[in-house]
Amino acid sequence: AQSVTQPDIHITVSEGASLELRCNYSYGATPYLFWYVQSPGQGLQLLLKYFSGDTLVQGIKGFEAEFKRSQSSFNLRKPSVHWSDAAEYFCAVGSNTGFQKLVFGTGTRLLVSP
Amino acid sequence: EAGVTQFPSHSVIEKGQTVTLRCDPISGHDNLYWYRRVMGKEIKFLLHFVKESKQDESGMPNNRFLAERTGGTYSTLKVQPAELEDSGVYFCASSPHTWKADHRRNTGELFFGEGSRLTVL
Repeated sequence: AQSVTQPDIHITVSEGASLELRCNYSYGATPYLFWYVQSPGQGLQLLLKYFSGDTLVQGIKGFEAEFKRSQSSFNLRKPSVHWSDAAEYFCAVGSNTGFQKLVFGTGTRLLVSP
Repeated sequence: EAGVTQFPSHSVIEKGQTVTLRCDPISGHDNLYWYRRVMGKEIKFLLHFVKESKQDESGMPNNRFLAERTGGTYSTLKVQPAELEDSGVYFCASSPHTWKADHRRNTGELFFGEGSRLTVL
């Protein structure tokens, strides 16, 4: 069965500092991987996705993620965090039989300090 | 263009009562999904509609939950009778394409609503 682990429940980063949110998945075949963000009072918004090809994917709001098959990871990164990035971030995996039926991690809440 | 809208945003009910959550997907989106997040846990899939038909309801926890999408537009999720463990945030999402229909043009993006928070006391 597919599963997603986000080991960090909370992360606090200073504004302007770099950010890396960890995500590990378990899936037997090539996964379809997603990062979603939920800002306060908003629905979940897709940041980026990986289906195939280049393992470094660029997303919106300056985020990027790198798929590493050998480590079963899909970590999210941003070189310089802005206060507006404070939100909850969810990693998710879908299968090739229906990647819209997503399996999510438990989420990482990002706090940005001034 | 309006996004996915959900109503109510928060509902507080007592154990044994009934609650109905509503989701209006983005106009023209045939696919509608319900997901649920129980406090502090992962967001879990409940079911998937394609138009008015249930494509996959494998995530529905039990028969106290009933989802409908009459006419293939908005959807309702009824919980009757509600139990304490039903508390959580219920998310609705929609998308225009299915994976099987044409994966090459499928953006793979689900458009989520803000969620309906259900508290059962």
